[in-house]
Amino acid sequence: DAMVIQNPRYQVTQFGKPVTLSCSQTLNHNVMYWYQQKSSQAPKLLFHYYDKDFNNEADTPDNFQSRRPNTSFCFLDIRSPGLGDAAMYLCATSRDRGADTQYFGPGTRLTVL
Amino acid sequence: AQSVTQPDIHITVSEGASLELRCNYSYGATPYLFWYVQSPGQGLQLLLKYFSGDTLVQGIKGFEAEFKRSQSSFNLRKPSVHWSDAAEYFCAVGGPGGYNKLIFGAGTRLAVHP
Repeated sequence: DAMVIQNPRYQVTQFGKPVTLSCSQTLNHNVMYWYQQKSSQAPKLLFHYYDKDFNNEADTPDNFQSRRPNTSFCFLDIRSPGLGDAAMYLCATSRDRGADTQYFGPGTRLTVL
Repeated sequence: AQSVTQPDIHITVSEGASLELRCNYSYGATPYLFWYVQSPGQGLQLLLKYFSGDTLVQGIKGFEAEFKRSQSSFNLRKPSVHWSDAAEYFCAVGGPGGYNKLIFGAGTRLAVHP
């Protein structure tokens, strides 16, 4: 009964080759988040959707984009991956904004060659 | 600025020993505090959270945490550690703005000796 699902779990791409990571949720939550976690570091919020409203963090590079076609799915697009973008990408959801619990998926490990 | 400090990068304990992981925060208003655990190659799992009320919070897997406003701390404790508790632990505070931006500490990696 997985609640937040991320595909693929492992993704290998080449330098500069666009890549898309997928997240789906069965919780019917309004908010979906994307975090980047580099090795031995804390997760860093890239952006989130509140329903269809997209909220980008000020320091998120333009290279990162996101789409949310419906409540259940959210995608992370990296337009031109660099070596520095190799990381674990975590998707999370919460029922609402404010101080609400976030539920995390298992993550996608991205390798850039 | 809001921040979370986890002073211990690595902690090693023996199985059956007690555990305390430290977390200090800086936040301008009443904080919303969380502890998450991450096993290698996995996502984050919520252990417990504090929003208001009783300052001693019980969580899953036998963990508890105590909110101490005077010390700006939210330390995580477990009376008897199991080998399966070996993981990375993140403290987080609910951040500012109109949405629930979590600010994470750098994490504490726990190793458990048999």
